[in-house]
Amino acid sequence: GAGVSQTPSNKVTEKGKYVELRCDPISGHTALYWYRQSLGQGPEFLIYFQGTGAADDSGLPNDRFFAVRPEGSVSTLKIQRTERGDSAVYLCASSLGGLASDTQYFGPGTRLTVL
Amino acid sequence: AQKITQTQPGMFVQEKEAVTLDCTYDTSDQSYGLFWYKQPSSGEMIFLIYQGSYDEQNATEGRYSLNFQKARKSANLVISASQLGDSAMYFCAMREGLQHDYKLSFGAGTTVTVRA
Repeated sequence: GAGVSQTPSNKVTEKGKYVELRCDPISGHTALYWYRQSLGQGPEFLIYFQGTGAADDSGLPNDRFFAVRPEGSVSTLKIQRTERGDSAVYLCASSLGGLASDTQYFGPGTRLTVL
Repeated sequence: AQKITQTQPGMFVQEKEAVTLDCTYDTSDQSYGLFWYKQPSSGEMIFLIYQGSYDEQNATEGRYSLNFQKARKSANLVISASQLGDSAMYFCAMREGLQHDYKLSFGAGTTVTVRA
């Protein structure tokens, strides 16, 4: 079946602009995660959804970052007043949820460049 | 404190040989899961193998095996019979608190280059 998809694959924006990054999880997966990966580093957790609600948003760096998942499927990560330090690859992952061995499956990521 | 430590930034391995990638972890939880992911230059994270903290047997998936030493808090990945397509970045990750479907903590990764 189809894997996790993310759009756009690349986004170039100017400092101060607003951006939206979209994630379409694997069908039937109730859990959805956002991570951020800076160059040469491992992914860092941003936010986790179980269904429609954000179960853990402790990784969001500040209040310029916000994410929604209104119908429990597609999620949008929103970044206001972008800064150059926001430049990174934003990864989305989804999982079935509820199992100890639950595996997160990742999308191809959105590469965000803030000029 | 760093939850996952991968001390080898880069490794070279000859085709058809085995390679071991080191991973140590830090947690006070009794229940946790350890994962390895592969990230080729294309960027997508590919799940390779999982080991639960209560699993008595080392996990294996094809050419991948996990050398789990709980007392030493290490979970090394062994890739046998390396192929050119194994050249990629490899990440070790941990999920703590298995009652919840929860976030992964990743290490900094190890770059593997397979030579013909």
